[in-house]
Amino acid sequence: GAVVSQHPSWVICKSGTSVKIECRSLDFQATTMFWYRQFPKQSLMLMATSNEGSKATYEQGVEKDKFLINHASLTLSTLTVTSAHPEDSSFYICSASRLAENTGELFFGEGSRLTVL
Amino acid sequence: RKEVEQDPGPFNVPEGATVAFNCTYSNSASQSFFWYRQDCRKEPKLLMSVYSSGNEDGRFTAQLNRASQYISLLIRDSKLSDSATYLCVVGDTNAGKSTFGDGTTLTVKP
Repeated sequence: GAVVSQHPSWVICKSGTSVKIECRSLDFQATTMFWYRQFPKQSLMLMATSNEGSKATYEQGVEKDKFLINHASLTLSTLTVTSAHPEDSSFYICSASRLAENTGELFFGEGSRLTVL
Repeated sequence: RKEVEQDPGPFNVPEGATVAFNCTYSNSASQSFFWYRQDCRKEPKLLMSVYSSGNEDGRFTAQLNRASQYISLLIRDSKLSDSATYLCVVGDTNAGKSTFGDGTTLTVKP
């Protein structure tokens, strides 16, 4: 099956620093990548939809200047949490859909657990 | 009203029980339907796609009712390892959008 890799899988940082999370589709080209956030015991929350070569589309209530998304190629999207604060601590997950097969199936990265001290 | 709504749960069942989850969706243009499973502190993993004709994979049966806009997942002979959160996902491939339900948590007890 298709493989999506996220890096880093966990990160601890000081308040005020910026953290970059990478999402790569390893064996397929991804038309679109999605970024989610999940707090403990809560459901996945879609943050933004990232299309290669264009600006990301952010969901209501998600600050685009706070969560910078870059999708420079069909295999890589990055999420940068700028000036992170403790309330940004969460589990961040990306997913990708295949360019060649428009089935709607999503392939998820392993997730990145961010802890801001 | 949410685009995709699932049974709120949680479901606590004994081993061997049969349990069913339902999910309704509001976008009639939806074309793809999936059940994903998410274990604690892990990413969601595809459990099965859902087709109009219904499909079965071992102890799991998924069905789609387009007229009533709902999908279901039936788990027979529950195992302890089935304990997880089950996510209903509905896709509008024309819009390039997939929408998740909030998930239903299942705990299977000995």
